Amino acid sequence: RKEVEQDPGPFNVPEGATVAFNCTYSNSASQSFFWYRQDCRKEPKLLMSVYSSGNEDGRFTAQLNRASQYISLLIRDSKLSDSATYLCVVNPGGGGNKLTFGTGTQLKVEL
Amino acid sequence: EAGVAQSPRYKIIEKRQSVAFWCNPISGHATLYWYQQILGQGPKLLIQFQNNGVVDDSQLPKDRFSAERLKGVDSTLKIQPAKLEDSAVYLCASSLVGNTIYFGEGSWLTVV
Repeated sequence: RKEVEQDPGPFNVPEGATVAFNCTYSNSASQSFFWYRQDCRKEPKLLMSVYSSGNEDGRFTAQLNRASQYISLLIRDSKLSDSATYLCVVNPGGGGNKLTFGTGTQLKVEL
Repeated sequence: EAGVAQSPRYKIIEKRQSVAFWCNPISGHATLYWYQQILGQGPKLLIQFQNNGVVDDSQLPKDRFSAERLKGVDSTLKIQPAKLEDSAVYLCASSLVGNTIYFGEGSWLTVV
């Protein structure tokens, strides 16, 4: 089983749609969780951290379910500029600050 | 604030040749990482430095890959000899201890 699993997509959605991405992780001892965004041929950039209580940043909402080892990202009112690959990222813990990435989910927002 | 700098941005080499990538982290960042990202996959950690010491190199193919961070600032990743499957983007990243990790733009390697 992969450490971090995501549906690779692509998700093709019309502008204004709501889209949700899911992710599961295998290590129950994982300590922290993130969503990174990666544009085509660019480096990954932190989109948001994910907390057990859930957190929201504008049109983006992230949630964590530790019992199910499941992370989600919801994007409301999709914009063309949201088109990118969204990477689910886990810090597996065990000392050190390091990240384990999923394969990413590709989102294409269309007119 | 200057970001993570990497060079060269692009490199094409023949298999069995060698290549070296350089990284200068964000000023003051003690932790430096090298990730490998193969097309269609997420980045995979190759090696992590804390200052000039190695924290984790468990996924570094040590028969052909080497990395150093001699003065605890910039770092070099070397591949010798390269294989076709080494074609990837090599991403350098840095962070303050326990903090957000920032990536450079990457060095794109094609092995032919």
